[in-house]
Amino acid sequence: AQSVTQLGSHVSVSEGALVLLRCNYSSSVPPYLFWYVQYPNQGLQLLLKYTSAATLVKGINGFEAEFKKSETSFHLTKPSAHMSDAAEYFCAVRRTGAGSYQLTFGKGTKLSVIP
Amino acid sequence: NAGVTQTPKFQVLKTGQSMTLQCAQDMNHNSMYWYRQDPGMGLRLIYYSASEGTTDKGEVPNGYNVSRLNKREFSLRLESAAPSQTSVYFCASSENQGETGANVLTFGAGSRLTVL
Repeated sequence: AQSVTQLGSHVSVSEGALVLLRCNYSSSVPPYLFWYVQYPNQGLQLLLKYTSAATLVKGINGFEAEFKKSETSFHLTKPSAHMSDAAEYFCAVRRTGAGSYQLTFGKGTKLSVIP
Repeated sequence: NAGVTQTPKFQVLKTGQSMTLQCAQDMNHNSMYWYRQDPGMGLRLIYYSASEGTTDKGEVPNGYNVSRLNKREFSLRLESAAPSQTSVYFCASSENQGETGANVLTFGAGSRLTVL
């Protein structure tokens, strides 16, 4: 069964610093992988998705993620943090087989940006 | 374009009371989902509906029932609420592109439920 593990439930960075949010996946077949963002008191929004077309995926708001099969990772990065990036970020993997349209989410990483 | 609309946004119940959370989408999506979000637990799937007329259990279905009323609407019912069901509930929908599609989910804004 597919699963994702997000390393670090809370990450703090200074404004202008690099953002790195870690996600490792477990899958017996090439997965579809996603990053979603949740701003306070809102639903989740798609940041980016990996569907095997390219290993480096660019998303909205300057975020990108790189699929590394050898490391089973799909870490999310942004070169320079902005105050508006403060939110909770969720990595997700799409299950295959029966019910293959379901997503399994990680437990989330809350990003704080320090002025 | 409203996307996914959930009602109510907030609800307080007493143990044993029942209620229904409503969800509607206007994107002509085939699949709809109910998730619950608890601190430190991420999102867990309660029930989903791959297409109109079908529903299936997810990871945490106990204590809940669902109805796919038509293609647009998918409701979640708590028959006898318990404090353990205090949570934020999210409805989502997707096109359901089958085995080869990415199947991106679009989420509603959430319904915060407190059971006393």
